[in-house]
Amino acid sequence: DGGITQSPKYLFRKEGQNVTLSCEQNLNHDAMYWYRQDPGQGLRLIYYSQIVNDFQKGDIAEGYSVSREKKESFPLTVTSAQKNPTAFYLCASSPYPNSGNTIYFGEGSWLTVV
Amino acid sequence: GENVGLHLPTLSVQEGDNSIINCAYSNSASDYFIWYKQESGKGPQFIIDIRSNMDKRQGQRVTVLLNKTVKHLSLQIAATQPGDSAVYFCAENRGRNYQLIWGAGTKLIIKP
Repeated sequence: DGGITQSPKYLFRKEGQNVTLSCEQNLNHDAMYWYRQDPGQGLRLIYYSQIVNDFQKGDIAEGYSVSREKKESFPLTVTSAQKNPTAFYLCASSPYPNSGNTIYFGEGSWLTVV
Repeated sequence: GENVGLHLPTLSVQEGDNSIINCAYSNSASDYFIWYKQESGKGPQFIIDIRSNMDKRQGQRVTVLLNKTVKHLSLQIAATQPGDSAVYFCAENRGRNYQLIWGAGTKLIIKP
């Protein structure tokens, strides 16, 4: 089935550690996105990529890093510089980064700092 | 972001009644609007969209209304069911930045 797969679903991080969240899509979409969602709140854009080997910072990029070496993959690394990383992380993709495109979401990854 | 630090407004509706969820947008240049449904612990799911050259669009049990004069978007859900319980987000596309701008979300609770 076509879709967006995020892994792991649940992840625990010790203070000072970097962790990487995986996002894979087999929809042949050009654009991919990472959002952060805190409990009871809306979505905030961390990073987005319109095409392979290119990505742009979103509203809350500090403490995060991404790569886009393949069209299908857009991993997000939460670095130790992110002081409050506990949140629900959502990966999304859209066919091409133009106006009027619906974006499709994965099932999300819960990250907890212990 | 516009929705940082805000807690979700809540709408309680009796099962079987119609629900109306509202959303205001700020940019008259926005030309595409989407409603998403997010169930607890899951990613948002697309419900329905509308372009700025339309006032109304209907789907299965859902209708989206767009009032460009007052920059208002609404989602109407007919005959609300328990499975409709979720948080509903509106999003607008302002074209140039290729990104969606998200509303704060509304939590819909269905009373039996």
